[in-house]
Amino acid sequence: GEKVEQHESTLSVREGDSAVINCTYTDTASSYFPWYKQEAGKGLHFVIDIRSNVDRKQSQRLIVLLDKKAKRFSLHITATQPEDSAIYFCAAKNTGYQNFYFGKGTSLTVIP
Amino acid sequence: GGIITQTPKFLIGQEGQKLTLKCQQNFNHDTMYWYRQDSGKGLRLIYYSITENDLQKGDLSEGYDASREKKSSFSLTVTSAQKNEMAVFLCASSIDNSAETLYFGSGTRLTVL
Repeated sequence: GEKVEQHESTLSVREGDSAVINCTYTDTASSYFPWYKQEAGKGLHFVIDIRSNVDRKQSQRLIVLLDKKAKRFSLHITATQPEDSAIYFCAAKNTGYQNFYFGKGTSLTVIP
Repeated sequence: GGIITQTPKFLIGQEGQKLTLKCQQNFNHDTMYWYRQDSGKGLRLIYYSITENDLQKGDLSEGYDASREKKSSFSLTVTSAQKNEMAVFLCASSIDNSAETLYFGSGTRLTVL
């Protein structure tokens, strides 16, 4: 089955700098790649996604890049703020199936 | 907006005990999921349900049962708790089985003594 590797387990950046979280996947049939944010003591909530028909998507300060050849996708958070501090999970899904495969999570700390 | 409510928030059990976790959603979503979150690991799918009375096994279904008797609720039973087990169980829902955005509850933290 699909395996999603999330490369950074922890990441610290200074407020205003950019943060980048990288994920790789194994199944070439995966075509949908969402990112979720988990704040302390809460469930995950959706932040941004990308589908395999594009290689870049931006929503305000969040940019997702997808390199299908390398089976790699990344989340870029620009102009970071302290409230961006959380655990971020990447995931991959084959649209023909129900299961999302999640990475292990990256704990991001934004230092004021 | 809607909300997913998981009860209890914290569950302490004994080895071998049968334990039930409950999840309610008021989004009127068709599809519901149970994921297990272990420290340092990604979420793993235990069971999901496309609609009322439907049950589908995920990758981690062994040792668990699930029940979807109403559209709004989805319960998960640990059939025999394992000693020293610690995990967070997350319930999620989506509009239907083709929707790709999941809405999560805040989790039930299980500790087995």
